[in-house]
Amino acid sequence: SQKIEQNSEALNIQEGKTATLTCNYTNYSPAYLQWYRQDPGRGPVFLLLIRENEKEKRKERLKVTFDTTLKQSLFHITASQPADSATYLCALDEGFQKLVFGTGTRLLVSP
Amino acid sequence: DGGITQSPKYLFRKEGQNVTLSCEQNLNHDAMYWYRQDPGQGLRLIYYSQIVNDFQKGDIAEGYSVSREKKESFPLTVTSAQKNPTAFYLCASHQGGTSYNEQFFGPGTRLTVL
Repeated sequence: SQKIEQNSEALNIQEGKTATLTCNYTNYSPAYLQWYRQDPGRGPVFLLLIRENEKEKRKERLKVTFDTTLKQSLFHITASQPADSATYLCALDEGFQKLVFGTGTRLLVSP
Repeated sequence: DGGITQSPKYLFRKEGQNVTLSCEQNLNHDAMYWYRQDPGQGLRLIYYSQIVNDFQKGDIAEGYSVSREKKESFPLTVTSAQKNPTAFYLCASHQGGTSYNEQFFGPGTRLTVL
């Protein structure tokens, strides 16, 4: 089955900087990849989806890239704000409407 | 408002007891899912259902059971056979079919075994 690696260490950055989170997978390239945000004690919330034939996707201050050669997706938050502090989960399509999730990376944005 | 509701938010169980976690959605979604989340681990799939009256085991189905008698409801029973049931349980739904749409999650139920 698909294995996903996200940095388990928290990422600490200053307000206004760009945060970059990494998602690496080990097996076949999925048809699409998704990013979710999860706040403590709450369910994940969908942010962005990128398909295998797309190199980059943007939504407001968010940008996702998808490199099937490197088997990697990068998630960027530009002009980061303390309100962006949360855990960000990468999820890959496993077929049959199933997703496999990474462990998530915690982002801390300091004022 | 459309969405997914889970109840209760917190649940305490004595060892040897079965408990049922509720999940209801009014999004008219065909597919529903149950995940378990433990500290430092990703979401792990317990069971999923792509259509009413049908469901499949996920990666960690042992000690759990589900039913899908109605499109909007997908309750999860944690049985006494589940050796380590203390965790955060998340229910999700998906439009279904071949869409690439996202999964919508409920607020979760935190189960603690005393």
